[in-house]
Amino acid sequence: DIQMTQSPSAMSASVGDRVTITCRASQGISNYLAWFQQRPGKVPKRLIYTASNLQSGVPSRFSGSGSGTEFTLTISSLQPEDFVTYYCLQHSSYPYSFGQGTKLEIK
Amino acid sequence: EVQLVESGGGLVQPGGSLRLSCEASGFTFSSHWMTWVRQAPGKGLEWVANIKEDGSEKYYLDSVKGRFTISRDNAKNSLYLLMSSLRVEDTAVYYCARERSVAYWGQGTQVTVSS
Repeated sequence: DIQMTQSPSAMSASVGDRVTITCRASQGISNYLAWFQQRPGKVPKRLIYTASNLQSGVPSRFSGSGSGTEFTLTISSLQPEDFVTYYCLQHSSYPYSFGQGTKLEIK
Repeated sequence: EVQLVESGGGLVQPGGSLRLSCEASGFTFSSHWMTWVRQAPGKGLEWVANIKEDGSEKYYLDSVKGRFTISRDNAKNSLYLLMSSLRVEDTAVYYCARERSVAYWGQGTQVTVSS
């Protein structure tokens, strides 16, 4: 099974900061990776698909990159509504698997 | 607009069974893979199962294999998850989703396994 390791598991940042979240796959997954945002008590929302494609309607401050085993989600300038939890998902090999999540907190 | 509406959750005793349903609208249901994802209280997301457009391929999380069965009825635009031999650790919100990459999500249905 493929393990997805997300880092960091939590981080503090300020409004306007640029932040990067990383997902590492235990084996190569090509670009079969998606990123999700989840607000407390809400349904997750897909931000990025196939590693680097921005979901329609998602602000352009979000971007994704990577291929193979290392992937990043970058938020170029944090806004107050961005301080929530993020997950990656590999959909290359069964069973599919999510990362454990990254919680962004306001510094 | 894509809509996915889950139902069928509830409280069940360990060892019991439950069938979740997901009614889809706003898109051609028979043209898309469908997925179930769950989230235990205070925990992260966990992929559970998915099914091909015509139902010919089904895949499961190891811990639910042999206990859960995913199915679909394209004539009714509906996805199902039959859960049996339920365990306390199956307690979670269960989400129905479209695509293998989980593009769209339903609101979820709560499943609680407790004596």
